[in-house]
Amino acid sequence: KNEVEQSPQNLTAQEGEFITINCSYSVGISALHWLQQHPGGGIVSLFMLSSGKKKHGRLIATINIQEKHSSLHITASHPRDSAVYICAVIASYGKLTFGQGTILTVHP
Amino acid sequence: DAMVIQNPRYQVTQFGKPVTLSCSQTLNHNVMYWYQQKSSQAPKLLFHYYDKDFNNEADTPDNFQSRRPNTSFCFLDIRSPGLGDAAMYLCATSRAQGARTDTQYFGPGTRLTVL
Repeated sequence: KNEVEQSPQNLTAQEGEFITINCSYSVGISALHWLQQHPGGGIVSLFMLSSGKKKHGRLIATINIQEKHSSLHITASHPRDSAVYICAVIASYGKLTFGQGTILTVHP
Repeated sequence: DAMVIQNPRYQVTQFGKPVTLSCSQTLNHNVMYWYQQKSSQAPKLLFHYYDKDFNNEADTPDNFQSRRPNTSFCFLDIRSPGLGDAAMYLCATSRAQGARTDTQYFGPGTRLTVL
């Protein structure tokens, strides 16, 4: 079993839909990253969370440390949101442990 | 405005021919990381520098070396690339205070092809 599990692995949505991607982890962490990677591209860090909730534009990330669970929400999804979304946890100094990623496709 | 810059974006090399990938940063961060990401897989940490202190991951092959001549630059050297080393190589940086690290900022990556 991976230390970081994401669901779903693939997600298809229509433009405008509300999207949720989930991440569960089994190790103690100091923080959790949500990352975005476009096809063939580099990685962009969307959020780093250690507690509570963060919002940036249409993106919202929440984390529940007790339940070892985090969610990434996208409101009013758009085709340009299509990408791979990766959850990664910092379990020891500086080292990220990555989930397998969620492939999101948003159709117009 | 680019904060973490990787050159080149695409690199083609021949089997066994040494290759060097470059990463530079304008953030003045003290930690720099090199990741390897193969197709449809999550990135895998190869090593990182905290200032001049080099930290190698236990399963990083000896074929991979790194240099950090100053705060801004970090290089990944692949001494004898094999076909299995074809991948995207990602550089990242973060600010650190003691054992706590801040958000990691990723570069655009260098896609390495080995012929």
